Amino acid sequence: SQQGEEDPQALSIQEGENATMNCSYKTSINNLQWYRQNSGRGLVHLILIRSNEREKHSGRLRVTLDTSKKSSSLLITASRAADTASYFCATWSGVDTSGTYKYIFGTGTRLKVLA
Amino acid sequence: DTGVSQDPRHKITKRGQNVTFRCDPISEHNRLYWYRQTLGQGPEFLTYFQNEAQLEKSRLLSDRFSAERPKGSFSTLEIQRTEQGDSAMYLCASSLGVQIYEQYFGPGTRLTVT
Repeated sequence: SQQGEEDPQALSIQEGENATMNCSYKTSINNLQWYRQNSGRGLVHLILIRSNEREKHSGRLRVTLDTSKKSSSLLITASRAADTASYFCATWSGVDTSGTYKYIFGTGTRLKVLA
Repeated sequence: DTGVSQDPRHKITKRGQNVTFRCDPISEHNRLYWYRQTLGQGPEFLTYFQNEAQLEKSRLLSDRFSAERPKGSFSTLEIQRTEQGDSAMYLCASSLGVQIYEQYFGPGTRLTVT
């Protein structure tokens, strides 16, 4: 499996509801970042959480990080139709078997917010 | 700050042809990254530069792929002898630094190999 894996793969909710998506990773990290991608604006950075932080807020976004479980969650509160997008977590990996140190995105959660 | 730009936005080529893509990062950013993304997947790291130095190169970047950033500003990604499996979106990003800095992505170049 990959360094970052999001769960669920797809999520469909009604406008106004909260959406929670999870990310698991494998190696030790300095920080973890969440991105959003939709057809209109491409890939956009949402929030960064450092390894010594447990929770971070930005507007309607709340991110948690549990380094003991190597997992993070992204909560979007009071969702809007405009939140419809794919959401990815991303981290810098440790050096892999090929000696490469690289930035790895998860497989993504496709969120659909119904009006 | 006009953001990261990529050119062309779309490229259709025949198998076996060479293609070159260009990326212009945000001017003060010294880090530049290339990714490949296929439908339904997250971006896959290809390579990144600090100024003109190529610091990492994924195994995904086979001998047919090469990237340059000759003056530490714009970058080019060349694919030689394209194959149908190269069809994907090629994304470029830039950042002020690595690790704690967010990456700003361009709109991508969509490559279709027929």
